[in-house]
This record gives sequence, C-alpha cells and structure tokens, in this order.
Amino acid sequence: NAGVMQNPRHLVRRRGQEARLRCSPMKGHSHVYWYRQLPEEGLKFMVYLQKENIIDESGMPKERFSAEFPKEGPSILRIQQVVRGDSAAYFCASSQTRDREGSPLHFGNGTRLTVT
Amino acid sequence: AQSVSQHNHHVILSEAASLELGCNYSYGGTVNLFWYVQYPGQHLQLLLKYFSGDPLVKGIKGFEAEFIKSKFSFNLRKPSVQWSDTAEYFCAVKNDYKLSFGAGTTVTVRA
Repeated sequence: NAGVMQNPRHLVRRRGQEARLRCSPMKGHSHVYWYRQLPEEGLKFMVYLQKENIIDESGMPKERFSAEFPKEGPSILRIQQVVRGDSAAYFCASSQTRDREGSPLHFGNGTRLTVT
Repeated sequence: AQSVSQHNHHVILSEAASLELGCNYSYGGTVNLFWYVQYPGQHLQLLLKYFSGDPLVKGIKGFEAEFIKSKFSFNLRKPSVQWSDTAEYFCAVKNDYKLSFGAGTTVTVRA
C-alpha cells in the first residue's frame, strides 16, 4: 500500500516561471492537505481539498497560488510567477475522511522548491 | 488561533544520553497533540499522539511524551538515544483537521 506520493522531490524554477507540485494521496483517501515549510520555520497549513472541492484555503497566499484535486488524478499545487520567497518545502498529507481529532495525517516526502 | 513553541532549535548529544524536547502550545480548547519525526530525506512520521486519557503517552522507538495541561506542555523524552535518532522533531497541535506545527528541533546524536 503506497503512501502519499509527491513529485517531483526537487524542483528548481527561475523567478517568473510556474511551479506545479503533484500529490497522489494514499489509496482510498479522498481528502488532501497541503502544508508549506519555510526555512527555519514549522509547517504551515495552506489548503484542504476533497475531490473537486476546496474546503479551506485560508492558509494560501491570495495571489499566484492555486490548488486543485480533480475527480481523476493527483492534487496539484500551482504557483505562478514564482519569487525567491516561494522557496520552501511543500508537503502533502491525506486522509480517508475529514481528519478529526485523534487521527494522524499521513504525509508525503515533500517537494523542495528552489527559486533562483 | 493556536500556536506551538519548541524550545530548542538544535540539540547535540552523545549516544546513550537522555533526550528531552520541550513543546508548549497556546490553545484554550480540547487539544490533540502530536510529535512527528523527519529522518533525513524521508517523510514526516508519527512518533506519538495524545487526545485523551493517560497524560503519559508512549510512542514508537522508545519515545514518550507527557501532557501537562496546567503548563500547556507536551514534552518529548527518550531515556537513551541512538545515532539513528538523528532527525528533526516537530510538535503539533490539532484543531479539527488543521495541524499547527512548531518550528522543529534538529537532534544530532554523535556516535
């Protein structure tokens, strides 16, 4: 049973380019969460999605960032016109149901984005 | 909004030494607390969790943590560390589906 799969592991983009980060949840999981870890900081919640729905995007920057979780295929976190401050590790987690108290999240290995 | 504070940014110790990592949270409601570990190049793994019952929680790999409600703390301990415990450790508090993490503590164990 494969865990949460993220790709690519490392992504280098020049300023102004687009970054696309992919997350395939664990089998049977229909809830996906994206977190971002900036250097020297803890992980920060970005967005919570179910299939075809954004449930909570309160942690997403208002501009340039978007996320989707289509009916088929992985969840995508998209960053347009990247800037150096977007350099971070982006982690995806998944759960079978809305992840309430007591249930741990299953995390992927993360994508390390470097903007040059 | 809840926040999590980890006391140490980097801890260096020798094998067989005891480890204690501090974690304090600020949240007034019912808390669910977690410690995650991230070994170099790997994903976050759950070490242990607390959501009710015995405040002394035992996790994997000989780790334990104690929830002290009056101090808003959830410190992680291991009596005798091994070189393989070298990793980054994150404390987290959960409200509904949202986790709030501390900044992490990097633990380096010297052989």
